[in-house]
Amino acid sequence: QVQLVQSGAEVKKPGASVKVSCKASGYTFTSYYMHWVRQAPGQGLEWMGIINPSGGSTSYAQKFQGRVTMTRDTSTSTVYMELSSLRSEDTAVYYCAREVPSEVAGTGFDIWGQGTMVTVSS
Amino acid sequence: QSALTQPPSASGSPGQSVTISCTGTSSDVGGYNYVSWYQQHPGKAPKLMIYEVSKRPSGVPDRFSGSKSGNTASLTVSGLQAEDEADYYCSSYAGSNNFDVVFGGGTKLTVL
Repeated sequence: QVQLVQSGAEVKKPGASVKVSCKASGYTFTSYYMHWVRQAPGQGLEWMGIINPSGGSTSYAQKFQGRVTMTRDTSTSTVYMELSSLRSEDTAVYYCAREVPSEVAGTGFDIWGQGTMVTVSS
Repeated sequence: QSALTQPPSASGSPGQSVTISCTGTSSDVGGYNYVSWYQQHPGKAPKLMIYEVSKRPSGVPDRFSGSKSGNTASLTVSGLQAEDEADYYCSSYAGSNNFDVVFGGGTKLTVL
């Protein structure tokens, strides 16, 4: 079945970086855009950026420009999200989410990973 | 881009209908037919309920419907059931010069 499986929880110190993985299965990895969305404890959803697994092109939310890097490995059908210069406000659950099958991106996210909790604490 | 505006809470009795609004601007909700809605139960990942304003993914009950008028989108849940109690988030494409997606702040739906 179609699924996204993310890496496990992380605890990081302020100023460090974290890299979260998201392994796709059950569909053609390079045919669907992938997004990253985060959710701070008790808060709403926040879009971080998008990657095209086919060519590797990316677009990031302005808020994260310069701190986030999204990459992919087509040999393992895995996308990665790395966030640097971590601060306490980055404590959140990070989700990868597949774009709805569509000719354009941004129409919706139909498959979600289980989420990865990232805690930033000294 | 600013977040879309949703009411923090909504409620209804079993069998009733409830509508949740999502207000944006002409740069997001009003400018594109790319509004989506997500249901999230505590401790779970969000689930897509509506995309492209009014399309339902396979497996989503037809009790859930979406619409849009101007800068405001709406999600209507008809025939409320206990399992509909959850947080609901709207989202819209908001790209102009750069690709962008914005979410609403979320609405807690309580089934009385």
